[in-house]
Amino acid sequence: QLQLQESGPGLVKPSETLSLACTVSAVSIRASSYYWGWIRQPPGKGLEWIGNIYYSGSTYDNPSLNSRVTISVDMSKNHFSLKLSSVTAADTAVYYCASGRYGYGSPGALDYWGQGMLVTVSS
Amino acid sequence: SYELTQSLSVSVALGQTARITCGGNNIGSKNVYWYQQQPGQAPVVVIYRDSNRPPGIPERFSGSNSGNTATLTISRAQAGDEADYYCQVWDSNTGVFGGGTKLTVL
Repeated sequence: QLQLQESGPGLVKPSETLSLACTVSAVSIRASSYYWGWIRQPPGKGLEWIGNIYYSGSTYDNPSLNSRVTISVDMSKNHFSLKLSSVTAADTAVYYCASGRYGYGSPGALDYWGQGMLVTVSS
Repeated sequence: SYELTQSLSVSVALGQTARITCGGNNIGSKNVYWYQQQPGQAPVVVIYRDSNRPPGIPERFSGSNSGNTATLTISRAQAGDEADYYCQVWDSNTGVFGGGTKLTVL
């Protein structure tokens, strides 16, 4: 059973870069049938999709985040990462990594989720 | 950018049927996914590709999608169904979530 676990600093200063990693267990991150993604949820609010990375290396991110997002894969560590630059208090949220299968020419459901990690942006 | 609209809250009497809707422009042409989120937990997919249930999801959960509205139906609602529910689509490889609906079981 595929499992995901987020890690990284829980506190980031305004204007700095938020960096999180998601360790994948039981499946190789090289597997072409999966995609890897990030979703966040500000306290008391709804889910917001951040971005995905695919086997091909292609990435897609939420236009509302104004090109501040970088998602990458580290195959040697079997993990993928999120970097969000120039953070403000509005970026305070629980950050989830998630995954699903890619098929029928598009990503499928977000079948697997990490437990989530609260990241607070504050000086 | 594509937008999905959900009601903020829906209430249902214990044992009755709850319907949670998700509105979007020609959403019937897209695959819709529904997630259940219990307080303090990660979301769980309850319906995929409009109307399919993953293993372990009760038959009481069903979905439909046509025109500009997708619907999640929960039959014989139980106390444990009280949660937040989110619809989601992929729009040209970009993920879009609805704002979420809080289901209260009375």
